[in-house]
Amino acid sequence: AQKITQTQPGMFVQEKEAVTLDCTYDTSDPSYGLFWYKQPSSGEMIFLIYQGSYDQQNATEGRYSLNFQKARKSANLVISASQLGDSAMYFCAMRELGGSYIPTFGRGTSLIVHP
Amino acid sequence: GAGVSQSPSNKVTEKGKDVELRCDPISGHTALYWYRQSLGQGLEFLIYFQGNSAPDKSGLPSDRFSAERTGGSVSTLTIQRTQQEDSAVYLCASSLVTSGGAGKETQYFGPGTRLLVL
Repeated sequence: AQKITQTQPGMFVQEKEAVTLDCTYDTSDPSYGLFWYKQPSSGEMIFLIYQGSYDQQNATEGRYSLNFQKARKSANLVISASQLGDSAMYFCAMRELGGSYIPTFGRGTSLIVHP
Repeated sequence: GAGVSQSPSNKVTEKGKDVELRCDPISGHTALYWYRQSLGQGLEFLIYFQGNSAPDKSGLPSDRFSAERTGGSVSTLTIQRTQQEDSAVYLCASSLVTSGGAGKETQYFGPGTRLLVL
């Protein structure tokens, strides 16, 4: 069964607007971590934000925030005030702490920011 | 400091030839991961090294694939008798895994090696 699901293959947003990228996950491990990475056309994966399953508050990093809904098993990435440089592939990943340290990645969402 | 580096950045080879891909992790990082990313796809886990423990090879797609990590640092991924379906970007990542890290240790990725098998 797929552990990480990103249902939006492509998203478009106007510059300066906010956008939400969806991620749902499946695990029976009560302890896990969720990550978001950005992959621009250059190919390098860039870490954006982390959310632990026991964290009381939603994670925020600058213009990035994570809308963590534990009961629904969703960890959506919100990018505020989109910039042209935000155009990239975005990957959600999960690491189950009760198992191996190998994260599972979703298939990604392509975000295009229009001027 | 220096990030994760990979070489070569691009490799074109003929079907049936062997290739070696190299990864230099961030100094001091105990964990090293290899992934494969086919065009338009997510990341496919290949192999994981952590300290002196036996590597987790559960993601290697066939016995043509092997990897080693010398001295807890540099890693080499070897693909023998390459096939056209091996064409992909091979990404390496490293992280500092600690007992108190609670799993939030961030993976730092290299720029990847783009492999094309003709």
